[in-house]
Amino acid sequence: ETGVTQTPRHLVMGMTNKKSLKCEQHLGHNAMYWYKQSAKKPLELMFVYNFKEQTENNSVPSRFSPECPNSSHLFLHLHTLQPEDSALYLCASSQLITGPRTYEQYFGPGTRLTVT
Amino acid sequence: QKEVEQDPGPLSVPEGAIVSLNCTYSNSAFQYFMWYRQYSRKGPELLMYTYSSGNKEDGRFTAQVDKSSKYISLFIRDSQPSDSATYLCAMSARDYGGATNKLIFGTGTLLAVQP
Repeated sequence: ETGVTQTPRHLVMGMTNKKSLKCEQHLGHNAMYWYKQSAKKPLELMFVYNFKEQTENNSVPSRFSPECPNSSHLFLHLHTLQPEDSALYLCASSQLITGPRTYEQYFGPGTRLTVT
Repeated sequence: QKEVEQDPGPLSVPEGAIVSLNCTYSNSAFQYFMWYRQYSRKGPELLMYTYSSGNKEDGRFTAQVDKSSKYISLFIRDSQPSDSATYLCAMSARDYGGATNKLIFGTGTLLAVQP
C-alpha cells in the first residue's frame, strides 16, 4: 500500500449505530487530519494530530470522536449521527518540518458516509 | 464573510481553451497559497503552491497571487479532457518556521473540458 488509505470507502449507518472510520498513512509523516467535505461547501478541518497529540478540534460535535494511536493510524469513531452528517470524510497527512512545506498535505480517497 | 470565496461553477470549456480559476480571501495573514485538484471519487492532490505574491509556472499551469487585491488565480493553457476535475484553492498563514498546517479551503470549482 502506498500513500494514504481509508476504509471503508462507503458506509451507510442508522442514527443509532456506532461505527469507525480508519485511516493509515504509509508516507512516514508525523501529522494527520480529518476533514469533512459536503457538496457546495469548503473542506472543513475537523481534527489535527501532530506527533499523535490532538492540536486542533474545530468545534466538532462530540458524536465524532478521533483517536490517533500512533503516527501512522487515525480513527474517527461515530455514534448517534444525524442525517446532516452525511458527507465525504477525508483523511490527510503531512510532514511537520521547519520551513515552508508544511502546507503539503496528502489526502486519502475518503469515506462516503450516509446517515439514514 | 467567508475567509475564502471561490465560484463553485460548473465551468465548461472546449478542449484547447485557456481556463481561469480564481479565489478571493479576506485574511491578510495568509501567505501560502495552494491549488489542489480533485478527481471524482478521489482525494485532493496538490497541484501548485505559491508563497506570497507573484507567479509560478509548471507546464500548462500558472498560479498567480495578488496580495494587494487578496486574489489568486490558476490558469490552465491548452486544456485537456483529463483536466476535468474540481479545483480547490487553499491558504495558510505563516507560523514560526514556515506555513502552519491549518489550511483554509475554498468550495472548489468543478471544471469540465469538452473534447
